[in-house]
Amino acid sequence: EAGVAQSPRYKIIEKRQSVAFWCNPISGHATLYWYQQILGQGPKLLIQFQNNGVVDDSQLPKDRFSAERLKGVDSTLKIQPAKLEDSAVYLCASSLDLGGGREQYFGPGTRLTVT
Amino acid sequence: AQRVTQPEKLLSVFKGAPVELKCNYSYSGSPELFWYVQYSRQRLQLLLRHISRESIKGFTADLNKGETSFHLKKPFAQEEDSAMYYCALSGSGYSTLTFGKGTMLLVSP
Repeated sequence: EAGVAQSPRYKIIEKRQSVAFWCNPISGHATLYWYQQILGQGPKLLIQFQNNGVVDDSQLPKDRFSAERLKGVDSTLKIQPAKLEDSAVYLCASSLDLGGGREQYFGPGTRLTVT
Repeated sequence: AQRVTQPEKLLSVFKGAPVELKCNYSYSGSPELFWYVQYSRQRLQLLLRHISRESIKGFTADLNKGETSFHLKKPFAQEEDSAMYYCALSGSGYSTLTFGKGTMLLVSP
């Protein structure tokens, strides 16, 4: 089966600019996650979708970050305006559903550098 | 609040030596624990989960609720085990993961 796809793989922007990331999960996976991984840290959940509804966005900086999953499949994560501290790898993952113990399948990530 | 602690940033061993990557957690309920691994230039992927009680690639991990630990062990390390290892926790019945900071395992010939 095809894995989780993300684009772009790399992005360099200046602070105060905006940027968007795209994710296509594994076919049939109802749950989609966006993580932020800062250098030297483990992934941190930003937002979790079940189909096209938000399950958990408690750690999403909503003043600058937004995400949507309009048709319950693809998802986009946007940052506007970007800050230097947003430099990180943004990981998308998907799982069959919300159930406990479910394996999450990760994409290759998008490495964002804010200068 | 849930928290995962991996005290070692780097663990360097020789091929054939035993390996133990430490993981301690903090969670008020019954957690579900996982080890994820990222090999060089590959995606983060699941290695094993405590509920399966399985051995994957020679690795095992036992959940010790008394010590709130979930250490990853392998009796004889191989060079291909070199990777970044992340311990992760989810609350019982939920899929949201909290990750530790990770431990880089380097296995030298």
